[in-house]
Amino acid sequence: IQLTQSPSLLSASVGDRVTLSCKGSQNINNYLAWYQQKLGEAPKLLIYNTNSLQTGIPSRFSGSGSGTDYTLTISSLQPEDVATYFCYQYNNGYTFGSGTKLEIK
Amino acid sequence: EVQLVETGGGLVQPGKSLKLTCATSGFTFSNAWMDWVRQSPEKQLEWVAQIKDKSNNYATYYAESVKGRFTISRDDSKSSVYLQMNSLKEEDTAIYYCTILDGPFDYWGQGVMVTVSS
Repeated sequence: IQLTQSPSLLSASVGDRVTLSCKGSQNINNYLAWYQQKLGEAPKLLIYNTNSLQTGIPSRFSGSGSGTDYTLTISSLQPEDVATYFCYQYNNGYTFGSGTKLEIK
Repeated sequence: EVQLVETGGGLVQPGKSLKLTCATSGFTFSNAWMDWVRQSPEKQLEWVAQIKDKSNNYATYYAESVKGRFTISRDDSKSSVYLQMNSLKEEDTAIYYCTILDGPFDYWGQGVMVTVSS
């Protein structure tokens, strides 16, 4: 399964509602996770099984979707959210998307 | 506290071999399915290999890009997992992460750099 993330680069203002997209080449059956990677760090799990928030992750992060289309939403962008975000499917093999780089405008 | 510490990276010539080690602590290693994930210089993440636990006969799985060249193994007595990399290619250049990818039980090491270059 191939994953296509869009946009590849997103610039938004503090406080904005931000939506990141991940589209699979086949049905992912909700076996979809989202990772946040800050510069020089390992990826950190935010969301698993489409919409389950990992322990310790702020509630401004949420996930949704079904079938082939999935979304990560940040309800109110904070300066510390600057990072690259990757989606990851584990329904059929294991595949990562190419990432969305999120910047503050 | 769960800890995953990778060692063994470095600069190696194409066609040569390298073995990565991941020493772990803070969880019941013998029950865990362990994975290696790599990140290219272009920042693309790629799942590389997985080894299951004893109850699953230590089954192993590989990405097509490394099948036949890489071997994942584990030593439950040492709480360690290994990645033997043979016939290395320049496109294997990446940061290699030792990981546990199990829903909310998700942990990554700090990563180790492998550079394949002549």
